[in-house]
Amino acid sequence: DAMVIQNPRYQVTQFGKPVTLSCSQTLNHNVMYWYQQKSSQAPKLLFHYYDKDFNNEADTPDNFQSRRPNTSFCFLDIRSPGLGDAAMYLCATSTDWSSYNEQFFGPGTRLTVL
Amino acid sequence: GQNIDQPTEMTATEGAIVQINCTYQTSGFNGLFWYQQHAGEAPTFLSYNVLDGLEEKGRFSSFLSRSKGYSYLLLKELQMKDSASYLCAVTDSNYQLIWGAGTKLIIKP
Repeated sequence: DAMVIQNPRYQVTQFGKPVTLSCSQTLNHNVMYWYQQKSSQAPKLLFHYYDKDFNNEADTPDNFQSRRPNTSFCFLDIRSPGLGDAAMYLCATSTDWSSYNEQFFGPGTRLTVL
Repeated sequence: GQNIDQPTEMTATEGAIVQINCTYQTSGFNGLFWYQQHAGEAPTFLSYNVLDGLEEKGRFSSFLSRSKGYSYLLLKELQMKDSASYLCAVTDSNYQLIWGAGTKLIIKP
């Protein structure tokens, strides 16, 4: 089955210790997204890629970086995690950046910062 | 600014009907989505409306009024598995998806 895969599902890191979250897709979609979601809040878009074109949201902290080495994979790097970065990180894909951009989500990575 | 408003929480009884409302103020409108999100899981697509009116899909229906900036999700014959958060999201003029915080729906036996 075509899908969006995220690894790991649960990640524990220490304050200030860099961490990388990964996402892969077998849907062959052009657009990939990284969201941060905290409890009972809306998903907050951090970045999106249209193919290899990188788009950084204006309010995404510099502490967050992203890479998309090919169509299938995308990574989220948190250079120096703080306690406020503990959240669920969701990767999503869509066929296009257009009016109908139904997004397909991976299961998420829950990040804990100690 | 852009804003999506939904009730924070609703409670309903198994077998009943519930309507979850969403109002939006966005820079442009290119469609409205409803997603379901079970606790600790990722959102999954439920419906998409771009024209005014009602879209029906099994037990779930979604309504849109663009002139009023308003949508609702109607869930019929509620089942315990429908306990989840329901997120309203609007595609704006730049094709960016603006998300609401979601409505937590609690189903009681």
